[in-house]
Amino acid sequence: EAQVTQNPRYLITVTGKKLTVTCSQNMNHEYMSWYRQDPGLGLRQIYYSMNVEVTDKGDVPEGYKVSRKEKRNFPLILESPSPNQTSLYFCASSLGSGPGNTIYFGEGSWLTVV
Amino acid sequence: AQKVTQAQTEISVVEKEDVTLDCVYETRDTTYYLFWYKQPPSGELVFLIRRNSFDEQNEISGRYSWNFQKSTSSFNFTITASQVVDSAVYFCALSEGRGNYGQNFVFGPGTRLSVLP
Repeated sequence: EAQVTQNPRYLITVTGKKLTVTCSQNMNHEYMSWYRQDPGLGLRQIYYSMNVEVTDKGDVPEGYKVSRKEKRNFPLILESPSPNQTSLYFCASSLGSGPGNTIYFGEGSWLTVV
Repeated sequence: AQKVTQAQTEISVVEKEDVTLDCVYETRDTTYYLFWYKQPPSGELVFLIRRNSFDEQNEISGRYSWNFQKSTSSFNFTITASQVVDSAVYFCALSEGRGNYGQNFVFGPGTRLSVLP
């Protein structure tokens, strides 16, 4: 089944404790990205990657890192999480990076930083 | 700058009623794409439909239909004979190119639909 898989789905962590949210897609998609969803602010892009070893900042990259060493994986790293990073996170992928490519989302990761 | 407006923040209907979710967009590009996504209470984002700016034909998929009108910059979504399982937040989204940097994908704020039994 074609899908975007992210883990963990639910996490409560403490301020400053590094964490990684993994993301993997099995559709051979070139383009991958991370979004966060917050009440009243909608979906905002954190980082995106147009291909292996190519990553770039989205709208809200502060406090996050990403890497794209393999085509299928695009982990999101929070080096020193803070409470304002409490959010619902989505990994997403699409076949290409041009407009019109449908973006497929993972199931979401609910992250709480206390 | 591109923008997507979903003026209806929340809608409640009784099961079997028809409901239309409005979406109005702004763009300067002549080539763009419009999408609808569904977010049920479990949280995932489910792709529903994609339209390009050159195809104004309405589309029907089961109980779902979409009306794209370039003249009014609208891409409305109608659910016929709504069911409780249709309860979700629905997002309209707009995609344009951004040169060599892929696509600029902008979501509307979403409309929360509650279908009551």
